[in-house]
Amino acid sequence: EAGVTQFPSHSVIEKGQTVTLRCDPISGHDNLYWYRRVMGKEIKFLLHFVKESKQDESGMPNNRFLAERTGGTYSTLKVQPAELEDSGVYFCASSPRQGYYGYTFGSGTRLTVV
Amino acid sequence: AQKVTQAQTEISVVEKEDVTLDCVYETRDTTYYLFWYKQPPSGELVFLIRRNSFDEQNEISGRYSWNFQKSTSSFNFTITASQVVDSAVYFCALRQAGTALIFGKGTTLSVSS
Repeated sequence: EAGVTQFPSHSVIEKGQTVTLRCDPISGHDNLYWYRRVMGKEIKFLLHFVKESKQDESGMPNNRFLAERTGGTYSTLKVQPAELEDSGVYFCASSPRQGYYGYTFGSGTRLTVV
Repeated sequence: AQKVTQAQTEISVVEKEDVTLDCVYETRDTTYYLFWYKQPPSGELVFLIRRNSFDEQNEISGRYSWNFQKSTSSFNFTITASQVVDSAVYFCALRQAGTALIFGKGTTLSVSS
């Protein structure tokens, strides 16, 4: 089966611009997660979708970040307007059902805000 | 509260040396899972191992081995005869029911030839 796919793999944008990251989970996986690693720091949870519903968005840093998962398939994470501190690697992961402890991570999107 | 501590920020070794990466966790749950991930310079997160809280058996996979000790809340990772390709950031992580994966800050391992 195909893994979790994220694109773009890299994005360089100027401060104040908008960027949209996309994640395609493994087909049939209801649970989708976004994480990010800011340079040199730990990987932090952003939010969790169950199908199209946001189950937990406690990790979203501020209202410049908007995540959607229309139809319960792929998800997008939009940053608008981007700030320098948003630079980092954004990871997406999926798992098949609640209570299943395994995750499959995508390769990440490296975002650089200049 | 749940927390994962990787006290070693950076480790440098020479090829063929053995190296142990420490991981200490905190949780009040009796059911939880522990993970190790590798992040090579290319950036992706590579799954290495998952261990549930009821299975304290140590595991060996090639040059990799893991020592899970509930008595000390530790889940240490040892690489035997390290190689340059082992150079990466290694993350230990914890997951409990109903919560997201919690990562440690990572240990950067540099293996020189």
